[in-house]
Amino acid sequence: KAGVTQTPRYLIKTRGQQVTLSCSPISGHRSVSWYQQTPGQGLQFLFEYFSETQRNKGNFPGRFSGRQFSNSRSEMNVSTLELGDSALYLCASSLSRTGEVDTGELFFGEGSRLTVL
Amino acid sequence: AQSVTQLGSHVSVSEGALVLLRCNYSSSVPPYLFWYVQYPNQGLQLLLKYTTGATLVKGINGFEAEFKKSETSFHLTKPSAHMSDAAEYFCAVSDPGGSYIPTFGRGTSLIVHP
Repeated sequence: KAGVTQTPRYLIKTRGQQVTLSCSPISGHRSVSWYQQTPGQGLQFLFEYFSETQRNKGNFPGRFSGRQFSNSRSEMNVSTLELGDSALYLCASSLSRTGEVDTGELFFGEGSRLTVL
Repeated sequence: AQSVTQLGSHVSVSEGALVLLRCNYSSSVPPYLFWYVQYPNQGLQLLLKYTTGATLVKGINGFEAEFKKSETSFHLTKPSAHMSDAAEYFCAVSDPGGSYIPTFGRGTSLIVHP
């Protein structure tokens, strides 16, 4: 079974630009979450999508947005990039099956490392 | 709101020595608890989890953790460290009655000396 796939793995942008990151969850997983990982702040929750709807949202500015498609694939977008947006962006999927208890167990991709110059 | 504290951003052990990584949490209800491991340039991988039942949980690669409600702790141990255990370890907690979105600790970097 294929794991969570994130593209691109590495990218370099300049301040003011925008970036789109892609995530394909494990087949059958309906929930996709995004995290930002930096040395100073650790793992910070961005948002979670389930059935094409944003179900939970972290405390990030509106420059950070996302969406989920009908096949559960997800994208996140960061507009007007700032130097502080340099980070590893991790996508994670979970089964989140209706009628079952969701424990919060996540399956992570390898991440997209964004460098903003 | 729940929170996770991992004592020690870095832990250094010799190969063959006991590994102990500490995790304390705060939660208004008995939580679900997780340990994840992250190797360089990779995502996080689940080591073990506690949801209900037996409080001593065994995971992959010889790791185990014990849920102690009275101490609000979920420390990770391994009897004998291997060089391949060198990685970043994250403790996480989710609220069964809430949004179940896990909150992560800041991570502990395990260094293993030969």
